Amino acid sequence: QKEVEQNSGPLSVPEGAIASLNCTYSDRVSQSFFWYRQYSGKSPELIMSIYSNGDKEDGRFTAQLNKASQYVSLLIRDSQPSDSATYLCAVNYRIIQGAQKLVFGQGTRLTINP
Amino acid sequence: KAGVTQTPRYLIKTRGQQVTLSCSPISGHRSVSWYQQTPGQGLQFLFEYFSETQRNKGNFPGRFSGRQFSNSRSEMNVSTLELGDSALYLCASSLSSGTRANVLTFGAGSRLTVL
Repeated sequence: QKEVEQNSGPLSVPEGAIASLNCTYSDRVSQSFFWYRQYSGKSPELIMSIYSNGDKEDGRFTAQLNKASQYVSLLIRDSQPSDSATYLCAVNYRIIQGAQKLVFGQGTRLTINP
Repeated sequence: KAGVTQTPRYLIKTRGQQVTLSCSPISGHRSVSWYQQTPGQGLQFLFEYFSETQRNKGNFPGRFSGRQFSNSRSEMNVSTLELGDSALYLCASSLSSGTRANVLTFGAGSRLTVL
């Protein structure tokens, strides 16, 4: 089983609709979860972090975390063409005290159609 | 506040050569992580450095190595290059403690092509 799994897509959503991106992870002790956005030819940029069960909202973005189900999701409301990118789910794995390894999923390619 | 700076941005090497990539973290960030990104494998963790010590290492052969200097700047080296080493190499820095200790900020990357 991969440490972090995402549907690679592509996911196509009409402009103005809600885009839903999902991610599952294998390590039950993980405590930190992130969503990064990567435009073609660019490096990943952080858009959301979530540490507790439930929802976290930031503008048009909502991250949802369910540790019991080992599931993280990202909702993008009122999708815009500028949201077209690859979205990477990342989970922090602590190996030993102080050492961290952020493990990324393969990414979901999202296309917003005008 | 300056971001994470990686040099060089692009480079072309031939098989068997070696390469050194450089990364300057955000001021105040003491942890530096390196990742390899390829279309087939996605983002793969190489290693993490903190206070000049490698704290964690991914599943890469010994040809991949790194180091961190006292000013937190880091370098990674790949020896005896293979065609499969062609990739985007990303450096990311983070604070060493606090609520944002795990939040990585990435540099623009160094794109390596091996011929």
